[in-house]
Amino acid sequence: AQSVTQLDSQVPVFEEAPVELRCNYSSSVSVYLFWYVQYPNQGLQLLLKYLSGSTLVKGINGFEAEFNKSQTSFHLRKPSVHISDTAEYFCAVSRSGGNFNKFYFGSGTKLNVKP
Amino acid sequence: EADIYQTPRYLVIGTGKKITLECSQTMGHDKMYWYQQDPGMELHLIHYSYGVNSTEKGDLSSESTVSRIRTEHFPLTLESARPSHTSQYLCASSGDTTPWYGYTFGSGTRLTVV
Repeated sequence: AQSVTQLDSQVPVFEEAPVELRCNYSSSVSVYLFWYVQYPNQGLQLLLKYLSGSTLVKGINGFEAEFNKSQTSFHLRKPSVHISDTAEYFCAVSRSGGNFNKFYFGSGTKLNVKP
Repeated sequence: EADIYQTPRYLVIGTGKKITLECSQTMGHDKMYWYQQDPGMELHLIHYSYGVNSTEKGDLSSESTVSRIRTEHFPLTLESARPSHTSQYLCASSGDTTPWYGYTFGSGTRLTVV
C-alpha cells in the first residue's frame, strides 16, 4: 500500500526567503509523484509532477522538486517565495489501478509567507 | 478558467435534510472522483467513476451515494445529512487511466450540517 507523509503541517517563512516543503512516500512499486497547490477557497491545482527521467522537476510559479528514490522523498523547493505563494501544498502519489489512476494524498503543508 | 464546476460553494443545512452536491466538467473526461477533505487530514477518496453508469466506492467509507448518467455530470447525494458529514467535498476528473495523468479539481463544496 502507498502512503504519503508531509511532516510539516505549517511552514512560516518571510518573503524572498527560500523554502522547502518535505514529502516522503512509501511504496513497494514504482510510483509517480505530484505536488498540488490549493489557494484559499479554491480547488487543487497541479504544480508539478515526476514521471521518469531527470530527478529534478520544474513546475509553475518557480517551484521545483527533487525525486530521491533512496530516501523515498519528493521535497518541494522555491529559492525565493512571494506573498502570493501563501497556500496549502499537497504531495501525492499515483499508481495504476486497472481502470483508473488512483491518487494518495498527504495531509498538506500550509505555507504562510510573511512580509 | 475552471473546466470543472462544483455547486454550491458553501452550504449550511440542518440535520436530516437531503442534499445533492453538483459536479460538472466540460472536458469530456471519462474518469471522475469525489474526495473528502478535512482540515489537517489527507484527502480521502470516497467515490469514483470509470464512465457512464459505472460508480465505485473509494477508500473511505461514506454514507453518500453518487450517480453517473451523463459523462459530464457526477452528483453526490446525502439522503439524511448529519453533523459528522460536515467537511469539504472536492470533485475531480481525469482523461486517461495512465497513472501520470493528473487530475483536474473543482473548487470544492464546503458543507456544514447543523
